[in-house]
Amino acid sequence: AQSVSQHNHHVILSEAASLELGCNYSYGGTVNLFWYVQYPGQHLQLLLKYFSGDPLVKGIKGFEAEFIKSKFSFNLRKPSVQWSDTAEYFCAVSPAVSNTGGFKTIFGAGTRLFVKA
Amino acid sequence: NAGVTQTPKFRVLKTGQSMTLLCAQDMNHEYMYWYRQDPGMGLRLIHYSVGEGTTAKGEVPDGYNVSRLKKQNFLLGLESAAPSQTSVYFCASSLGWTSGGPSQETQYFGPGTRLLVL
Repeated sequence: AQSVSQHNHHVILSEAASLELGCNYSYGGTVNLFWYVQYPGQHLQLLLKYFSGDPLVKGIKGFEAEFIKSKFSFNLRKPSVQWSDTAEYFCAVSPAVSNTGGFKTIFGAGTRLFVKA
Repeated sequence: NAGVTQTPKFRVLKTGQSMTLLCAQDMNHEYMYWYRQDPGMGLRLIHYSVGEGTTAKGEVPDGYNVSRLKKQNFLLGLESAAPSQTSVYFCASSLGWTSGGPSQETQYFGPGTRLLVL
């Protein structure tokens, strides 16, 4: 069965520290990959996405993610976090080509990031 | 352009009561989704719709029903609420599959509905 695994459920960092959140997926076909962010009290919004092309994608607020196909991974990175990055981050996977509808977007369990000022 | 809106924002129900959550989108999206979000479990798909008049079950459909009578609206119903349905419910929409092209599955989320079932 298709699945998405986020390695860390909770991460605590000090401001200016570097961030890397792990995401691995299991699916045999071509995929689209996403990171969504949910700031406290707000709804989910897209942080960045990978559809095709350069496996290193850049998103909003200085975030980037690298798709490593051989490792089925799509880790999220930021060189220097800020207090305002405190949020919950969700990795998500969807098939890149039309299928019979058996596989829609699957979300990971989420990683709660807390940045200390 | 309001994007995706949900009503109500918060509701308290007693066990056995029924209610309907409304989701509306003004982006002319084909696909719409209902998720529930529970601590440590991420987002789980309840039901989804790939177009007006169509619905399908997701990962956790039991105890819920949906309808998509109009393209812009997607209703989630709880016929007989149970404490296990206490959760935050998110609606989302997406463009869906483009004809002959790749998936355009970026989803746009509503603000959520907090439901407490006593």
